[in-house]
Amino acid sequence: DTGVSQDPRHKITKRGQNVTFRCDPISEHNRLYWYRQTLGQGPEFLTYFQNEAQLEKSRLLSDRFSAERPKGSFSTLEIQRTEQGDSAMYLCASSLWTSRSGELFFGEGSRLTVL
Amino acid sequence: KNEVEQSPQNLTAQEGEFITINCSYSVGISALHWLQQHPGGGIVSLFMLSSGKKKHGRLIATINIQEKHSSLHITASHPRDSAVYICAVPGTYKYIFGTGTRLKVLA
Repeated sequence: DTGVSQDPRHKITKRGQNVTFRCDPISEHNRLYWYRQTLGQGPEFLTYFQNEAQLEKSRLLSDRFSAERPKGSFSTLEIQRTEQGDSAMYLCASSLWTSRSGELFFGEGSRLTVL
Repeated sequence: KNEVEQSPQNLTAQEGEFITINCSYSVGISALHWLQQHPGGGIVSLFMLSSGKKKHGRLIATINIQEKHSSLHITASHPRDSAVYICAVPGTYKYIFGTGTRLKVLA
């Protein structure tokens, strides 16, 4: 399977715990995006990487959230001291960005439930 | 005003009907995405187009760059087409998503 893969697919945690999600993009893709989606809403941009560099971080992303993309391959999104409001689907997408666009490929998402 | 607007927000159709979903955007773009998300499912890319028309099975997407408008058509709609359809345009460095059109096709 050469698509975007995310792990875990589902995570249930207690408030205050830390969680980490992993995204493996399509191998030749230079851009990797993290989005958050709550029920009935469209994807909200969280952050994106161009290769290993994190170039933009949304104001939605509090200091409890951190993302990395070491070596420009897979990425991790960590949420510290989770709150019930963090419950959402966390989506990863990647693209081969050339010139001004690149087709976006999404993973299946990691669903977080904070109790 | 959102940079990407979709209409309608919700659409219910009978099986077999021809369906049109519209997307208007205010930013200059080089291409536009149509995406599909089934209830509880992941997001799948349907089309990426920069001009004219693309067809895949019963799905047809058109774009008019000058008018900043794109349409997604579904011919001979089927209950399995029930999903949220989202258009997305590349901004300076990230995609901007429309609010989505929730389609329900009744048998």
